[in-house]
Amino acid sequence: DAGVIQSPRHEVTEMGQEVTLRCKPISGHDYLFWYRQTMMRGLELLIYFNNNVPIDDSGMPEDRFSAKMPNASFSTLKIQPSEPRDSAVYFCASSRTDNQPQHFGDGTRLSIL
Amino acid sequence: GDSVTQMEGPVTLSEEAFLTINCTYTATGYPSLFWYVQYPGEGLQLLLKATKADDKGSNKGFEATYRKETTSFHLEKGSVQVSDSAVYFCALSDRGEGGGNKLTFGTGTQLKVEL
Repeated sequence: DAGVIQSPRHEVTEMGQEVTLRCKPISGHDYLFWYRQTMMRGLELLIYFNNNVPIDDSGMPEDRFSAKMPNASFSTLKIQPSEPRDSAVYFCASSRTDNQPQHFGDGTRLSIL
Repeated sequence: GDSVTQMEGPVTLSEEAFLTINCTYTATGYPSLFWYVQYPGEGLQLLLKATKADDKGSNKGFEATYRKETTSFHLEKGSVQVSDSAVYFCALSDRGEGGGNKLTFGTGTQLKVEL
């Protein structure tokens, strides 16, 4: 089975630009999670979905961040406008049920100049 | 709230040495506990898990026992290899609203194994 697929793998852009990160979860997985990893704060859960519905977005840092899941096989995380402090590695993960382990993608390394 | 505390790294060992990475947790309920491993440039991979007290998770020679009395889940391996060099994350899960396996991670411990 294909794993969680994220794109792009690397993104470098200037501050103020809109950034869109994409994720394709494993087929049949009902839960999708977005995480951010930085040296200072480690791994933080930003938001998660169940059956395409956002359940908990309490980790989203501010209104510049938004996430959508229009269907079971696709999710996006947008940052608009982007700022240098948003530079991090962003991971998407999915799980089949709420009792199953999460499977992670390889991440998107985002650099905001 | 829930939290996970791991020993700081990097941990540097010689090949075939014994490994222990300490992990303790704070949780209001009865969480499940996990160890994830991250190789350079990759995402996290589940290494092992334990869902209740006294359970032992094991995989690829790694073991960890869920100790409720000491709120610990220390990772051990009897003989490490160079290929075990990676960052190891201890994590716990908590049921979020509407279900969902919300993970709280420790800060990660980098392991370097040398010949």
